[in-house]
Amino acid sequence: SYELTQPPSVSVSPGQTASITCSGDKLGDKYACWYQQKPGQSPVLVIYQDSKRPSGIPERFSGSNSGNTATLTISGTQAMDEADYYCQAWDEGGVFGGGTKLTVL
Amino acid sequence: QITLKESGPTLVKPTQTLTLTCTFSGFSLSTSGVGVGWIRQPPGKALEWLALIYWDDDKRYSPSLKSRLTITKDTSKNQVVLTMTNMDPVDTATYYCAHVRRPCSGGSCYYYFDYWGQGTLVTVSS
Repeated sequence: SYELTQPPSVSVSPGQTASITCSGDKLGDKYACWYQQKPGQSPVLVIYQDSKRPSGIPERFSGSNSGNTATLTISGTQAMDEADYYCQAWDEGGVFGGGTKLTVL
Repeated sequence: QITLKESGPTLVKPTQTLTLTCTFSGFSLSTSGVGVGWIRQPPGKALEWLALIYWDDDKRYSPSLKSRLTITKDTSKNQVVLTMTNMDPVDTATYYCAHVRRPCSGGSCYYYFDYWGQGTLVTVSS
């Protein structure tokens, strides 16, 4: 079965750029999307089709996908961006990564 | 405005069948281009996709759970129902339903979830 691998945790200082990776076999041949989940809340879609932002998502969120890796980049990270982030792709079924806890400190 | 809400039992016994209902508004499953999916999340763990149903009755199931899952839609009630048989304590999780998009390119399609319900915690215990 297809698997997506994310680092368990990423730390970033406020105002800096955070990058969260998602790795999978030939992931660049598929579309990737990203969800943000804050404690006790439902996931929120922040990036779809590799790099598109839904309405209402700040411009500081961006995405890319090439080769075996998709990347979520948060520019000018704010304290409110502290959350768990999950990548997702489709391969004969929905596949989520294991999630990355982003700490802003 | 798209909203979804999950409902069902909060506690089920091992071996029982779980039935969850997703009631939604702001879209219709009789309209081209929309679907509803189910995703679950055990406490403190990652998201896991379970199943989805699209407006054209396209149904997809998680390969690892396919034998235990059934998804149906009632367009007149704006509801989608997920049943999961033979429940086990490892199935304890928050179950979410979500609005599905299905973009297609070059003959292949993929699915993602752009609106989520609040989730419902289901505990499996005797």
